[in-house]
Amino acid sequence: DAKTTQPNSMESNEEEPVHLPCNHSTISGTDYIHWYRQLPSQGPEYVIHGLTSNVNNRMASLAIAEDRKSSTLILHRATLRDAAVYYCILDNAGGTSYGKLTFGQGTILTVHP
Amino acid sequence: NAGVTQTPKFQVLKTGQSMTLQCAQDMNHEYMSWYRQDPGMGLRLIHYSVGAGITDQGEVPNGYNVSRSTTEDFPLRLLSAAPSQTSVYFCASSQKPWQPQHFGDGTRLSIL
Repeated sequence: DAKTTQPNSMESNEEEPVHLPCNHSTISGTDYIHWYRQLPSQGPEYVIHGLTSNVNNRMASLAIAEDRKSSTLILHRATLRDAAVYYCILDNAGGTSYGKLTFGQGTILTVHP
Repeated sequence: NAGVTQTPKFQVLKTGQSMTLQCAQDMNHEYMSWYRQDPGMGLRLIHYSVGAGITDQGEVPNGYNVSRSTTEDFPLRLLSAAPSQTSVYFCASSQKPWQPQHFGDGTRLSIL
């Protein structure tokens, strides 16, 4: 199974943009890139996902490198509520692993007022 | 909308006891799954179900049983609790496996 690598932690100031990187150099052609986040004492929350093209939704943007070996989750204006652990996950659509999310340790995002 | 509801929120068991963690979703989702999260770790998949009557094992299934008699409910049974099963348990659901998953708030289980 393809794996992802994320920094252990990142810090940001409130109302500034945050770029959370993820490396997935062994990604296969049918792997979707998913991002979830987990606020303290809560279950994970879906943020965004994509395959090849950049994606935007109300929560964030996902920028995917042309070779798909890395991606970046972009929070355009961080708020204190965005402080969480962010997980970058690959899911092989149609494969035997799809839907069975593999969570690594994620990136702990700290947002300073 | 209730979403994914897990009960109980907290539970303390003694070694060897059995119990059932409940998970219910009101979104008519086909796909449901159970994860456990140990302190400082990511989530690990225990069991999953692609529809009523169909279940399969995930990464760490030993010591746990599941059944899916209805679309709405996916209970997780601990057969004989062990201290190594002390963890936070999360249930998740989605319409299809490849679609975004909705997680419950978790059950915090301590086994003495």
